[in-house]
Amino acid sequence: QSALTQPASVSGSPGQSITISCTGTSSDVGAYNYVSWYQQHPGKAPKLMIYDVRNRPSGVSNRFSGSKSGNTASLTISGLQAEDEADYYCSSYISSSLVVFGGGTKLTVL
Amino acid sequence: EVQLVESGGVVVQPGGSLRLSCAASGFTFNDYTMHWVRQAPGKGLEWVSLISWDGGITYYADSVKGRFTISRDNSNNSLYLQMNSLRTEDTALYYCAKDMVSSSWDFNFEYWGQGTLVTVSS
Repeated sequence: QSALTQPASVSGSPGQSITISCTGTSSDVGAYNYVSWYQQHPGKAPKLMIYDVRNRPSGVSNRFSGSKSGNTASLTISGLQAEDEADYYCSSYISSSLVVFGGGTKLTVL
Repeated sequence: EVQLVESGGVVVQPGGSLRLSCAASGFTFNDYTMHWVRQAPGKGLEWVSLISWDGGITYYADSVKGRFTISRDNSNNSLYLQMNSLRTEDTALYYCAKDMVSSSWDFNFEYWGQGTLVTVSS
Protein backbone atom coordinates (compact mmCIF):
# COMPACT_ATOMS: atom_id res chain seq x y z
CA GLN A 1 0.00 0.00 0.00
CA SER A 2 1.14 3.60 -0.59
CA ALA A 3 2.13 5.70 2.35
CA LEU A 4 0.02 8.65 3.30
CA THR A 5 1.31 11.90 1.79
CA GLN A 6 2.86 14.51 4.05
CA PRO A 7 4.92 17.59 3.16
CA ALA A 8 8.62 16.88 3.56
CA SER A 9 9.14 19.97 5.68
CA VAL A 10 7.38 22.86 7.30
CA SER A 11 8.73 25.73 9.33
CA GLY A 12 7.53 28.48 11.60
CA SER A 13 8.72 31.06 14.08
CA PRO A 14 8.24 30.80 17.83
CA GLY A 15 4.72 31.76 18.82
CA GLN A 16 3.27 31.12 15.39
CA SER A 17 0.91 28.31 14.37
CA ILE A 18 1.70 25.70 11.76
CA THR A 19 -0.34 22.94 10.15
CA ILE A 20 0.93 19.64 8.78
CA SER A 21 -1.29 17.85 6.30
CA CYS A 22 -1.68 14.13 5.78
CA THR A 23 -3.42 13.12 2.58
CA GLY A 24 -4.76 9.65 2.01
CA THR A 25 -7.64 8.15 0.11
CA SER A 26 -11.25 7.15 0.58
CA SER A 27 -9.92 3.77 1.73
CA ASP A 28 -7.95 5.05 4.69
CA VAL A 29 -8.08 8.62 6.01
CA GLY A 30 -11.41 9.33 4.35
CA ALA A 31 -13.03 6.12 5.50
CA TYR A 32 -12.24 6.01 9.19
CA ASN A 33 -11.77 8.37 12.12
CA TYR A 34 -8.64 6.46 13.05
CA VAL A 35 -5.88 8.94 12.29
CA SER A 36 -2.98 9.32 14.71
CA TRP A 37 -0.03 11.68 14.88
CA TYR A 38 3.43 10.96 16.31
CA GLN A 39 6.29 13.27 17.22
CA GLN A 40 9.86 11.99 16.94
CA HIS A 41 12.90 13.89 18.12
CA PRO A 42 16.28 12.87 16.65
CA GLY A 43 17.50 9.61 18.13
CA LYS A 44 14.35 9.14 20.16
CA ALA A 45 11.32 6.89 19.94
CA PRO A 46 8.09 8.28 18.49
CA LYS A 47 5.54 9.77 20.88
CA LEU A 48 1.78 9.64 20.37
CA MET A 49 0.43 13.19 20.15
CA ILE A 50 -3.07 12.78 18.66
CA TYR A 51 -5.30 9.73 18.26
CA ASP A 52 -8.65 9.11 16.59
CA VAL A 53 -8.26 12.31 14.55
CA ARG A 54 -8.54 14.85 17.36
CA ASN A 55 -7.97 13.31 20.79
CA ARG A 56 -4.91 14.13 22.90
CA PRO A 57 -3.39 11.54 25.24
CA SER A 58 -2.93 12.60 28.81
CA GLY A 59 0.09 14.85 29.20
CA VAL A 60 0.18 16.18 25.64
CA SER A 61 -0.01 19.96 25.42
CA ASN A 62 -3.27 21.48 24.23
CA ARG A 63 -1.18 23.44 21.73
CA PHE A 64 -1.47 20.29 19.60
CA SER A 65 -4.75 19.68 17.81
CA GLY A 66 -5.99 17.40 15.05
CA SER A 67 -8.72 17.56 12.46
CA LYS A 68 -9.88 15.89 9.28
CA SER A 69 -11.68 16.92 6.11
CA GLY A 70 -12.40 14.32 3.48
CA ASN A 71 -9.24 12.38 2.69
CA THR A 72 -6.91 14.84 4.43
CA ALA A 73 -6.06 14.97 8.11
CA SER A 74 -4.20 17.84 9.71
CA LEU A 75 -2.07 18.46 12.77
CA THR A 76 -1.94 22.03 14.02
CA ILE A 77 0.60 23.26 16.52
CA SER A 78 -0.15 26.65 18.01
CA GLY A 79 2.21 28.86 19.99
CA LEU A 80 5.20 27.17 18.38
CA GLN A 81 8.10 26.46 20.73
CA ALA A 82 11.69 25.44 20.08
CA GLU A 83 11.03 22.03 21.65
CA ASP A 84 8.42 21.31 18.97
CA GLU A 85 11.18 20.96 16.37
CA ALA A 86 10.97 17.29 15.39
CA ASP A 87 9.71 14.88 12.76
CA TYR A 88 5.97 14.26 12.69
CA TYR A 89 4.24 11.19 11.28
CA CYS A 90 0.59 10.52 10.66
CA SER A 91 -0.99 7.08 10.51
CA SER A 92 -4.37 5.72 9.53
CA TYR A 93 -6.26 2.47 9.74
CA ILE A 94 -6.82 0.84 6.38
CA SER A 95 -8.76 -2.39 6.08
CA SER A 96 -6.49 -3.96 3.46
CA SER A 97 -3.22 -3.70 5.37
CA LEU A 98 -4.44 -2.55 8.78
CA VAL A 99 -2.32 0.56 9.28
CA VAL A 100 -0.36 2.88 7.03
CA PHE A 101 2.02 5.71 7.96
CA GLY A 102 2.82 8.96 6.25
CA GLY A 103 6.32 9.63 5.01
CA GLY A 104 6.99 12.13 7.78
CA THR A 105 7.35 15.91 8.01
CA LYS A 106 10.36 17.72 9.43
CA LEU A 107 9.28 20.72 11.47
CA THR A 108 11.85 23.48 11.82
CA VAL A 109 11.36 26.24 14.38
CA LEU A 110 13.11 29.28 12.96
CA GLU B 1 5.76 3.90 34.68
CA VAL B 2 5.43 1.96 31.44
CA GLN B 3 8.73 0.63 30.15
CA LEU B 4 9.46 -1.31 27.01
CA VAL B 5 13.01 -2.52 26.46
CA GLU B 6 13.96 -4.20 23.21
CA SER B 7 16.99 -6.40 22.68
CA GLY B 8 18.46 -8.84 20.21
CA GLY B 9 19.41 -6.60 17.33
CA VAL B 10 22.70 -7.50 15.62
CA VAL B 11 24.39 -7.64 12.24
CA VAL B 12 23.22 -10.70 10.29
CA GLN B 13 23.83 -11.97 6.79
CA PRO B 14 21.06 -12.07 4.15
CA GLY B 15 19.07 -15.26 4.54
CA GLY B 16 19.85 -15.44 8.24
CA SER B 17 17.60 -15.52 11.27
CA LEU B 18 17.23 -13.48 14.41
CA ARG B 19 14.92 -13.24 17.40
CA LEU B 20 14.09 -9.89 18.96
CA SER B 21 12.75 -9.54 22.48
CA CYS B 22 10.86 -6.81 24.28
CA ALA B 23 10.59 -6.75 28.07
CA ALA B 24 7.54 -4.90 29.34
CA SER B 25 6.81 -3.44 32.75
CA GLY B 26 4.60 -0.86 34.42
CA PHE B 27 1.27 -2.13 33.08
CA THR B 28 -0.82 -5.29 32.99
CA PHE B 29 0.91 -6.87 30.02
CA ASN B 30 -1.67 -9.58 29.37
CA ASP B 31 -4.41 -6.99 28.90
CA TYR B 32 -2.87 -5.30 25.86
CA THR B 33 -2.20 -5.99 22.21
CA MET B 34 1.44 -5.41 21.32
CA HIS B 35 3.06 -4.35 18.06
CA TRP B 36 6.39 -4.27 16.30
CA VAL B 37 7.08 -1.16 14.22
CA ARG B 38 10.31 -0.59 12.30
CA GLN B 39 12.19 2.37 10.90
CA ALA B 40 14.87 1.99 8.26
CA PRO B 41 17.83 4.36 8.69
CA GLY B 42 16.77 7.88 7.75
CA LYS B 43 13.34 6.68 6.69
CA GLY B 44 9.77 6.67 8.02
CA LEU B 45 7.83 4.29 10.19
CA GLU B 46 6.47 0.93 9.02
CA TRP B 47 4.13 -1.26 11.03
CA VAL B 48 5.36 -4.87 11.08
CA SER B 49 3.08 -7.05 13.19
CA LEU B 50 0.62 -7.27 16.06
CA ILE B 51 -0.32 -9.91 18.59
CA SER B 52 -3.49 -9.80 20.63
CA TRP B 53 -3.44 -9.60 24.43
CA ASP B 54 -3.92 -13.37 24.78
CA GLY B 55 -1.65 -14.32 21.90
CA GLY B 56 -4.52 -15.84 19.96
CA ILE B 57 -4.54 -13.42 17.02
CA THR B 58 -1.62 -12.20 14.96
CA TYR B 59 -1.34 -10.00 11.89
CA TYR B 60 1.61 -9.14 9.67
CA ALA B 61 2.55 -6.57 7.08
CA ASP B 62 2.74 -8.04 3.59
CA SER B 63 6.47 -7.23 3.51
CA VAL B 64 7.21 -9.73 6.30
CA LYS B 65 4.38 -12.25 6.02
CA GLY B 66 5.68 -15.80 5.91
CA ARG B 67 9.13 -14.78 7.19
CA PHE B 68 8.48 -13.19 10.59
CA THR B 69 6.59 -14.65 13.56
CA ILE B 70 5.36 -12.62 16.51
CA SER B 71 4.79 -14.25 19.88
CA ARG B 72 4.45 -13.36 23.54
CA ASP B 73 4.96 -14.87 26.97
CA ASN B 74 2.48 -13.29 29.33
CA SER B 75 3.98 -15.08 32.33
CA ASN B 76 7.24 -13.21 31.71
CA ASN B 77 5.80 -9.96 30.32
CA SER B 78 7.75 -10.45 27.12
CA LEU B 79 7.15 -9.94 23.42
CA TYR B 80 9.16 -11.57 20.65
CA LEU B 81 9.75 -11.32 16.94
CA GLN B 82 11.31 -14.28 15.16
CA MET B 83 12.81 -13.07 11.90
CA ASN B 84 13.76 -15.61 9.22
CA SER B 85 14.99 -15.33 5.64
CA LEU B 86 16.24 -11.84 6.35
CA ARG B 87 16.77 -9.42 3.50
CA THR B 88 18.84 -6.27 3.22
CA GLU B 89 15.60 -4.29 3.14
CA ASP B 90 14.79 -5.55 6.66
CA THR B 91 17.61 -3.37 8.00
CA ALA B 92 15.94 -1.06 10.50
CA LEU B 93 15.47 0.00 14.07
CA TYR B 94 12.76 -2.26 15.47
CA TYR B 95 10.44 -0.82 18.11
CA CYS B 96 7.97 -2.66 20.26
CA ALA B 97 4.87 -0.63 21.01
CA LYS B 98 1.89 -0.97 23.33
CA ASP B 99 -1.59 -0.49 21.93
CA MET B 100 -3.81 2.04 23.68
CA VAL B 101 -6.91 -0.03 24.34
CA SER B 102 -7.19 -3.11 26.51
CA SER B 103 -8.61 -6.40 25.25
CA SER B 104 -8.72 -5.10 21.69
CA TRP B 105 -6.57 -3.01 19.37
CA ASP B 106 -6.89 0.36 17.70
CA PHE B 107 -3.41 0.90 16.22
CA ASN B 108 -2.77 3.84 18.52
CA PHE B 109 0.80 3.16 19.63
CA GLU B 110 0.64 4.63 23.11
CA TYR B 111 4.10 3.68 24.39
CA TRP B 112 7.26 2.77 22.52
CA GLY B 113 10.57 1.25 23.48
CA GLN B 114 13.87 2.77 22.40
CA GLY B 115 14.33 0.22 19.64
CA THR B 116 16.91 -2.39 18.71
CA LEU B 117 18.92 -2.15 15.49
CA VAL B 118 18.89 -4.98 13.00
CA THR B 119 21.41 -4.76 10.18
CA VAL B 120 21.22 -7.26 7.34
CA SER B 121 24.43 -7.18 5.38
CA SER B 122 27.01 -9.50 3.91
